[in-house]
Amino acid sequence: GEDVEQSLFLSVREGDSSVINCTYTDSSSTYLYWYKQEPGAGLQLLTYIFSNMDMKQDQRLTVLLNKKDKHLSLRIADTQTGDSAIYFCAESKASGTYKYIFGTGTRLKVLA
Amino acid sequence: EADIYQTPRYLVIGTGKKITLECSQTMGHDKMYWYQQDPGMELHLIHYSYGVNSTEKGDLSSESTVSRIRTEHFPLTLESARPSHTSQYLCASRPSSPFGNSPLHFGNGTRLTVT
Repeated sequence: GEDVEQSLFLSVREGDSSVINCTYTDSSSTYLYWYKQEPGAGLQLLTYIFSNMDMKQDQRLTVLLNKKDKHLSLRIADTQTGDSAIYFCAESKASGTYKYIFGTGTRLKVLA
Repeated sequence: EADIYQTPRYLVIGTGKKITLECSQTMGHDKMYWYQQDPGMELHLIHYSYGVNSTEKGDLSSESTVSRIRTEHFPLTLESARPSHTSQYLCASRPSSPFGNSPLHFGNGTRLTVT
């Protein structure tokens, strides 16, 4: 089946690193995405990784993909209060299908 | 960066009213989507469109309908709103890509409350 799982909550201190984890079940997924949602807003694309990659870094964000364990993580370095939001992991298959499977979201709270 | 606009941002209406939620994008994306986001944060696909005059229902049964007469416009209509329709509605779009599903770009959503 298709399922994407995330822990519901994460709390970190300002300046520390945050690591948000995600597991997925469909090994045929080709792209994996991380989105951020602030209160009252839509989902903002943060970064995405193709399934033949192990790691992708973009400024303070590092994405790690473990295909064997079907595990995806998002590390935010030097977490700021503005990073407080809900973070969604999502997967999709190859072109030709419309399906994007979203996780339930991880609520990140950054303590000053 | 895709520009995708949803109106209204907030809507409170009475039961039985007909409403249309607007979604427009200016990037020429041919694929467009409507999601319903419940209080538990999970997103559910209710409609999608591959292009003009092409619409399909999503995974979540919905009493809404959509149309795609122009590439940039993908409105969602509820013929008779009910309290169970109270939710956040998110519109998204993406371009076609030969390399796999390109990322979705989302609007800011419409928060609908039916009293």
